[in-house]
Amino acid sequence: AAGVIQSPRHLIKEKRETATLKCYPIPRHDTVYWYQQGPGQDPQFLISFYEKMQSDKGSIPDRFSAQQFSDYHSELNMSSLELGDSALYFCASSTVDRGSYEQYFGPGTRLTVT
Amino acid sequence: AQSVTQPDIHITVSEGASLELRCNYSYGATPYLFWYVQSPGQGLQLLLKYFSGDTLVQGIKGFEAEFKRSQSSFNLRKPSVHWSDAAEYFCAVWRDSGGSNYKLTFGKGTLLTVNP
Repeated sequence: AAGVIQSPRHLIKEKRETATLKCYPIPRHDTVYWYQQGPGQDPQFLISFYEKMQSDKGSIPDRFSAQQFSDYHSELNMSSLELGDSALYFCASSTVDRGSYEQYFGPGTRLTVT
Repeated sequence: AQSVTQPDIHITVSEGASLELRCNYSYGATPYLFWYVQSPGQGLQLLLKYFSGDTLVQGIKGFEAEFKRSQSSFNLRKPSVHWSDAAEYFCAVWRDSGGSNYKLTFGKGTLLTVNP
């Protein structure tokens, strides 16, 4: 079965640079979520999109932005990177069809800011 | 706001021993509850979920969890632990914030170490 795809898997950037993370949800899933997991931390919700519209926003810095495209893939854009942005970034997808509310997580993108 | 508490940061068990990981939630309505497992540097894999109905739910890899409303708990159990079960385990609750917003709130996680 198809899973959530994230790219790149690893990314190294310097402070003040920009990074773009991509997420390809499971086919026919209409909702995408982004989570940030710092070292030794639990995942924290950043933002979500339903049918290409932002549906909810969590603790996402103003330096970050995201969108969902017509093919349902999503991109998380991160500017003016800081050392504290180093983390594992997860994308998850789900669908409300059939009353299933499970979120399926991708393998994550490990971002290291130096 | 709802919260999820995993009281045990780190648990060590011997291979073949039984396991119980604790999870307590704070939420006004009946929550949707999940257990995820994360191996080092890996993604989150869903072990099991509770939405409604039978309070004892079976998951993958021989895990089960029991929803107890009176105790606001959703503890994860396994009768015999294998070395490959060593990982971090996260309990999570789904909060419906309206429309199709089903973001997850995670507990801090319990790190499981399995001794041979």
